[in-house]
Amino acid sequence: EIVLTQSPTTMAASPGEKVTITCRASSSVSYMYWYQQKSGASPKPWIYETSKLASGVPDRFSGSGSGTSYSFTISSMETEDAATYYCHQWSSTPWTFGGGTKLELK
Amino acid sequence: QVRLKESGPRLVQPSQTLSVTCTVSGFSVTSYHVSWVRQPPGKGLEWVGAIWKGGSTDYNSALKSRLSISRDTSKNQVFLKMNSLQTDDTGTYYCAKHGPHYFDYWGQGVMVTVSS
Repeated sequence: EIVLTQSPTTMAASPGEKVTITCRASSSVSYMYWYQQKSGASPKPWIYETSKLASGVPDRFSGSGSGTSYSFTISSMETEDAATYYCHQWSSTPWTFGGGTKLELK
Repeated sequence: QVRLKESGPRLVQPSQTLSVTCTVSGFSVTSYHVSWVRQPPGKGLEWVGAIWKGGSTDYNSALKSRLSISRDTSKNQVFLKMNSLQTDDTGTYYCAKHGPHYFDYWGQGVMVTVSS
């Protein structure tokens, strides 16, 4: 099983601040995927194939990385971005998710 | 319009079997794969298993011995059955449709509590 380790686990950012979340895989994966989940809601696809934005996702979001190291960036934090973000791999089953990064508004 | 809706018991006793139904609309379960994902309260996401559009299944190896996923194509429903439930099986169970790149549509989830 590929274990995904996200950091930080929680963080707070002020409006306009740059945010970076990292996701490390225990084995190399082809791509990384990211989901956004707000409290009480289902996850939403956010970034796919490492760097492509899902439909409707603002371009202040970006993703990068390869192999076992990936990152998720918000260039300028906005109020609506407060949520928990999960990285996800489906290179090999069992497909796994990172533990999540809870991003709060400062 | 694509929709998925989970239904099932909110409370299950330890050692009993959980049965959850995912009723989909807007697509056919014979055309798209469907997965189950669960989330313990306040914790992260765990992929449980999937049923492929052709009808075969794939399970999380950690749960495989207790798990069964099936479907009724005439009703466009997918079923999750998990036996020998324990308290750490408590959580929200989601069904999700596979898109070309990711789980593109999710149900609202059903919160299941395992408790006597």
